[in-house]
Amino acid sequence: GAGVSQTPSNKVTEKGKYVELRCDPISGHTALYWYRQSLGQGPEFLIYFQGTGAADDSGLPNDRFFAVRPEGSVSTLKIQRTERGDSAVYLCASSFAAGGQYTQYFGPGTRLTVL
Amino acid sequence: RKEVEQDPGPFNVPEGATVAFNCTYSNSASQSFFWYRQDCRKEPKLLMSVYSSGNEDGRFTAQLNRASQYISLLIRDSKLSDSATYLCVVNVMEYGNKLVFGAGTILRVKS
Repeated sequence: GAGVSQTPSNKVTEKGKYVELRCDPISGHTALYWYRQSLGQGPEFLIYFQGTGAADDSGLPNDRFFAVRPEGSVSTLKIQRTERGDSAVYLCASSFAAGGQYTQYFGPGTRLTVL
Repeated sequence: RKEVEQDPGPFNVPEGATVAFNCTYSNSASQSFFWYRQDCRKEPKLLMSVYSSGNEDGRFTAQLNRASQYISLLIRDSKLSDSATYLCVVNVMEYGNKLVFGAGTILRVKS
């Protein structure tokens, strides 16, 4: 079946602009996660959804970052007033349910470059 | 101190070699442990979960030592296709369902 998909695959924007990154999880997966990966580092957790609600947003770096999952499937990560430090690969993952015993499957990521 | 620490490498080994990676984690409440593999400019993919009793999957063996808060991955008979970054990952109950990743260990297998 189809895996996690993310669009766009690459996004180049200018400092101060607004961007939206989209994630389509694996069908039937109730848990959805966003991570951010900088060069030479492992992915860092941003936010996790169980269904439509954000169960844990403790990894969002500041209030410029916001994510939604209105119908419990597709999720959008929104970044306002982008800064050069926001440049990274943004990874989305989904799992059948919440819990460490459920494998998280990652999408190919969106490479965000802020000029 | 990082929550999950790994030697970044790179480990340069010939085909057929045996190579071992180690990882330490700082939170004793960690409850689930994994090794993920990440190819260049690709997403991480689960290689194997790590259990207290140790587990093996073909050429790959993972071990967990809870007392020392230490995880290892052993790769036998290395193949060129094993070249990748290996990420040590833990899940901590008190953190909910997020995964905490190490920075990764680079493996390069050469012919």
